[in-house]
Amino acid sequence: EIVMTQSPATLSESPGEGVILSCRASQSVSGNLAWYQQKPGQAPRLLIYGATTRATGIPARFSGSGFATEFTLTISSLQSEDVAVYYCQQYNNWPPTWTFGQGTKVEIK
Amino acid sequence: EVQLVESGGGLVQPGGSLRLSCEVSGFTFINYAIHWVRQAPGKGLDWVASMSGSGGVTYYADSVKGRFTISRDNSKNTLYLHMHNLRADDSAIYYCAKDGMGGGLSYFDHWGQGTLVTVSS
Repeated sequence: EIVMTQSPATLSESPGEGVILSCRASQSVSGNLAWYQQKPGQAPRLLIYGATTRATGIPARFSGSGFATEFTLTISSLQSEDVAVYYCQQYNNWPPTWTFGQGTKVEIK
Repeated sequence: EVQLVESGGGLVQPGGSLRLSCEVSGFTFINYAIHWVRQAPGKGLDWVASMSGSGGVTYYADSVKGRFTISRDNSKNTLYLHMHNLRADDSAIYYCAKDGMGGGLSYFDHWGQGTLVTVSS
C-alpha cells in the first residue's frame, strides 16, 4: 500500500502571504497526484490533478508541483476563503487503490 | 451541471445493513467510474470502493472487502453501496465522487454532499 504523508499538520499565515504544503509518497506515484480542498462542513473540492494541472475554476494562486514521491501545493497569496483542510491523493498503483494524506489545516493569522 | 446526490444514510445497529444511493446527472453515467469515499467525524478522507463506468469492474478497500458491494442501475443513473455487517468504525459521512477521466480510473473531479452513517446500539 502506498502511504501518503503530508506536512505540516497545521499551518498559519497572514493574509497575502504565500504558503507551501508538502506531500510525500512512500513509493513513486509518477505524476498521478491530486490535491483537494475541504472547507468546514463541505465536501472536498478538486484543486489540482496530474500534480500540476489546476481544475476548472480554481484560482491561479493555487499551483502544484512535484513528481514521483515529492509534491507541493503552493498558495501564492493566502486569502481568508482559503481556510480549509488540504488533502493530497495518489491514483497511481495497480490494482487500483486510492490513498489520501492525513491533511494539512490552513489557518489565517 | 454535474451533480451527485447521496441518500440512504442513518442510524443502524452493529451487525446491521444499509444501502446508500448516489444519483448522478449532468454527464454520461456509463462513461465514468464512480467512487465512494468516507470521512469519520473529525478525521481524514478514506477511499472505500469504486465501480468502472461499464459496471464490469469493482474495487474495494481491504477494510470493507467482503462486507460492502457496489451495484448500479443505469436506467436510474444511480450507483448503490450495499453495506453489511456494519461496525462502529464504519460510522462516517459517505461521499460519492465522479472520476475525472472518461473510461479511466484517476482523480475525483466532482463530489456529492455526503450522507451520514452512524453505527451504534
